[in-house]
Amino acid sequence: QVQLVQSGAEVKRPGASVKLSCKASGYMFTSQYLHWLRQAPGQGLEWVGIIHPSGGSTAYEPRLHGRVTMTRDTSTSTIYLELDRLTSDDTAVYYCARAKGPERWPVDAFDIWGQGTVVTVSS
Amino acid sequence: EIVLTQSPGTLSLSPGDRATLSCRATHNVDKNYVAWYQQKPGQPPRLLIYAASIRATGIPDRFSGSGSGTDFTLTVSRLEPEDFALYHCQQYGSSQGSFGQGTKLQIK
Repeated sequence: QVQLVQSGAEVKRPGASVKLSCKASGYMFTSQYLHWLRQAPGQGLEWVGIIHPSGGSTAYEPRLHGRVTMTRDTSTSTIYLELDRLTSDDTAVYYCARAKGPERWPVDAFDIWGQGTVVTVSS
Repeated sequence: EIVLTQSPGTLSLSPGDRATLSCRATHNVDKNYVAWYQQKPGQPPRLLIYAASIRATGIPDRFSGSGSGTDFTLTVSRLEPEDFALYHCQQYGSSQGSFGQGTKLQIK
């Protein structure tokens, strides 16, 4: 079945970097855009960025621009999110999600979600 | 940026009741591109409705969406025990999408 499987929980010190992964299966990886979102404890959902799995184009939430990098590996159908210079405000559950489609850039509804990765930033 | 306000913040109802959840935008949402998600504790969100009124695959017909412009509504016609959860609305009509803060639907 169609699914997105994310990497495990991370605990990081302030100022460090974190790299998360999200492996897609059950559909053609290059056919639909993929996104990262996050949800801080007790808060709503926040969009982080989008990547075009085929061409690798990206767009990011302006407030995070300069600290976030999204990449993909088409050979393993996996996307990555790297977030630098972490602060306690980055503590959240991070989700990858598939765009509902077709081809709305940079935002869309999300029809398939990963299980989430907990990132904790603490000294 | 379009800001979405969901109301009420918490809704207390009983199984079998009808639930009406509101999502109001500060500006018109282009093409009524509003989605609704259900989220249970420890789980990712689940897409219920997109384009304001289209049910996603596998979603029971007791869930319906309506509205246009700045005012959107999610209705659950007859609540089942598994419907008690957190609900999010999202607009994706502008280049900078946004989410509401959520409505918690709890058992009365």
